[in-house]
Amino acid sequence: QVQLQESGPGLVKPSETLSLTCTVTGVSIGSYHWSWIRQPPGKGLEWIGYISVSGSPDYSPSLRGRVTISADTSKNQFSLRLDSVTAADTAVYFCAGRGQRQCDNWGQGILVAVSS
Amino acid sequence: DIQMTQSPSSLSASVGDRVTITCRASQTIGSFLNWYQQHPGKAPKLLIFAASALQSGVPSRFSGTGSGTDFTLTISSLRPEDFATYFCQQTNRTPYTFGQGTSLEVK
Repeated sequence: QVQLQESGPGLVKPSETLSLTCTVTGVSIGSYHWSWIRQPPGKGLEWIGYISVSGSPDYSPSLRGRVTISADTSKNQFSLRLDSVTAADTAVYFCAGRGQRQCDNWGQGILVAVSS
Repeated sequence: DIQMTQSPSSLSASVGDRVTITCRASQTIGSFLNWYQQHPGKAPKLLIFAASALQSGVPSRFSGTGSGTDFTLTISSLRPEDFATYFCQQTNRTPYTFGQGTSLEVK
């Protein structure tokens, strides 16, 4: 059974860096594609980016320059780093993944608020 | 970016009804279209991938059709657990954009 679990701080100050980790159990992350997706309160889903089987990341243009997705196969984890956050980055952040073209499995989500 | 437009934005229906949600892409995306279901406070769940392939474990009352720019999700006979929000997502080209969502509510 594949399970994903996000972890990280629930509160980040404006201009600082948001860092989240997704721990995957049940499969080796090196065999699949893994994504980060976010959802502002009461709004729709926004694709942040993914890291592919080959380890190559791809990011949403709207966040490129501020976002980094990386993977640690030794820990079976992948991570999200978002720099210079503002209130507009307040959202539930989901990690998800498996197939190249669809997210078969999702974490439960973690609410990250940006506030001083 | 490819824009995904769902209609309707909200829909009221009753248990047993047949409902259809549509999703239109701003440019052709082949069959790279997924449908997700989301209940309040929960993560999205994959229902349909590649426009018409039913994800393992998803009931057969859910079906998807379409290719190119126009797609539909149909629920043949609504059950109480189907009242949720549904999102389409294109994965033809990054960024993998989502539709704005369709809220399916009890009539």
